[in-house]
Amino acid sequence: NAGVTQTPKFQVLKTGQSMTLQCAQDMNHEYMSWYRQDPGMGLRLIHYSVGAGITDQGEVPNGYNVSRSTTEDFPLRLLSAAPSQTSVYFCASSYSRTGLYTGELFFGEGSRLTVL
Amino acid sequence: SQQGEEDPQALSIQEGENATMNCSYKTSINNLQWYRQNSGRGLVHLILIRSNEREKHSGRLRVTLDTSKKSSSLLITASRAADTASYFCATDDRGSTLGRLYFGRGTQLTVWP
Repeated sequence: NAGVTQTPKFQVLKTGQSMTLQCAQDMNHEYMSWYRQDPGMGLRLIHYSVGAGITDQGEVPNGYNVSRSTTEDFPLRLLSAAPSQTSVYFCASSYSRTGLYTGELFFGEGSRLTVL
Repeated sequence: SQQGEEDPQALSIQEGENATMNCSYKTSINNLQWYRQNSGRGLVHLILIRSNEREKHSGRLRVTLDTSKKSSSLLITASRAADTASYFCATDDRGSTLGRLYFGRGTQLTVWP
């Protein structure tokens, strides 16, 4: 059981470039989400998904795109990278959607992105 | 925003002492969770407490929840150097769309040997 796997671990982009952060989980979790972590800001929710084919916006969705074609994968796309998107990105999954039936979130190890 | 706020931002103690961290939040919740993050790593779930629970224990961890004050506390007893990490509370929002979990900015705990 690998848990939640994120790739790449490190990435440097130039302003305007696009890229995709990959996230995969092998726990058959319904719920998957992306957070960004910035110094002094804690974790902020970007997008989340409660199942294949279903996605929704979090607190800071602008500049990011997601899709959920399979239960296992939840890629995060940066459409046109900006220096403000320099951050550490975490993917997390849970066996159930949050709310009354919230389960614990399982986090990946993070992807450190620098936009020059 | 529903984001919880941890207090203090930083805490420095000696091994063997107890560490207490607090979390306040803004709206009604279904449950509250605490997570730990070692430097450079992902977050790891510690404990979940539901809105109808007042106290929960797990090993050296004790969590309390006061929904009337919209606050929670995490107590780590007999701290060890290995407890050095950042600790975050996370809440959902009972009145909002299912699927959103909000994290605070965290408390940085340093335990000196």
